[in-house]
Amino acid sequence: DAGVTQSPTHLIKTRGQQVTLRCSPKSGHDTVSWYQQALGQGPQFIFQYYEEEERQRGNFPDRFSGHQFPNYSSELNVNALLLGDSALYLCASSLSARAYGYTFGSGTRLTVV
Amino acid sequence: AQSVTQLGSHVSVSEGALVLLRCNYSSSVPPYLFWYVQYPNQGLQLLLKYTSAATLVKGINGFEAEFKKSETSFHLTKPSAHMSDAAEYFCAVSDPLSGNNRLAFGKGNQVVVIP
Repeated sequence: DAGVTQSPTHLIKTRGQQVTLRCSPKSGHDTVSWYQQALGQGPQFIFQYYEEEERQRGNFPDRFSGHQFPNYSSELNVNALLLGDSALYLCASSLSARAYGYTFGSGTRLTVV
Repeated sequence: AQSVTQLGSHVSVSEGALVLLRCNYSSSVPPYLFWYVQYPNQGLQLLLKYTSAATLVKGINGFEAEFKKSETSFHLTKPSAHMSDAAEYFCAVSDPLSGNNRLAFGKGNQVVVIP
């Protein structure tokens, strides 16, 4: 039974570019949450998708956007990249928006140069 | 807003000694509390969680934590450290009345086990 799958594992982008990160949730999970983990920090909540809609959003600018597809997979898009966007981006899936049984993926390491 | 504080970013412990990681929370409502572990180049794995049942919570790998409302604490302990316990540990809090499972994490503790 596959857990949460994220792609790519690593990527390097230039300031000002746009990036798309992808996440496939654990089988049976319908809710996807995205977290940003800067170096030496704990994860910060970006947003959560459930039933193909953004349900909750953390304190992140509109440059961060997302999407959830009918098969529950999700994308995180970041526009106009800044050096400060360099981080590990974690995807977590759960049975519902209220369930505390998160399963985390291994993350995508984004480096902005 | 809810938050947790973890003091001491790096914690060194001798193999076989007690592991103690401190977590204090700030919340206007009775919170749900969690401890996660992160090994290098991996995602987060749940060690244990407190969701208003027993105040002493046992988790995986021999870890346990005790919820103390009077001290607003949820410290993580393990009686005897193993080399495999070397990892980063995060305390997290959630508001069970919010209707969602959003977590607020502390800054983490990097645990080094000395042979």
